Amino acid sequence: DAGITQSPRHKVTETGTPVTLRCHQTENHRYMYWYRQDPGHGLRLIHYSYGVKDTDKGEVSDGYSVSRSKTEDFLLTLESATSSQTSVYFCAISVHGGQETQYFGPGTRLLVL
Amino acid sequence: DQQVKQNSPSLSVQEGRISILNCDYTNSMFDYFLWYKKYPAEGPTFLISISSIKDKNEDGRFTVFLNKSAKHLSLHIVPSQPGDSAVYFCAASEGIQGAQKLVFGQGTRLTINP
Repeated sequence: DAGITQSPRHKVTETGTPVTLRCHQTENHRYMYWYRQDPGHGLRLIHYSYGVKDTDKGEVSDGYSVSRSKTEDFLLTLESATSSQTSVYFCAISVHGGQETQYFGPGTRLLVL
Repeated sequence: DQQVKQNSPSLSVQEGRISILNCDYTNSMFDYFLWYKKYPAEGPTFLISISSIKDKNEDGRFTVFLNKSAKHLSLHIVPSQPGDSAVYFCAASEGIQGAQKLVFGQGTRLTINP
């Protein structure tokens, strides 16, 4: 157990509304990541953070923004949700970066109607 | 363009036999490879990993093989158990700004039959 929680665990929203997902960790790890999982695509990196206020884009960042104002929280915001953003979102952490294991949270299932 | 591919969407194996899951990649800059197991409604859980400087890594029933010249890795599970039934993802790592960018395959659903 890497001490990662995600909230909410399930959410239904309407197209065009903003949505914020939260990832919280208890171990003060430096690196945090947001992925989405879709059938036929595995998991794809959305954004990542390498420190407080230090973030960068991943493979599928369009339509998403992130913020990290303190070590333990990494927020993912869908500025104006679209049906194509219906997915399962996973947060992950790693300690050192580089060649090491990423540990994943339980996921948030988001449905955009 | 998919940099990491798992070409078998599903695999069915008898309990006690060997399960072999395969993964191919195209980016020669990947320097670390991992296998994750995923049950429904849960996050992926780490199984085993291998650095690009090695060709084999074992952990109990799990062994990962890396063939760099073929850009191919495989996960062997021996003996297979019913609890191994899950979706398996391979992932390849490329370091960026000290962080670790993982690229995942599409997953293979493994079913162990009694």
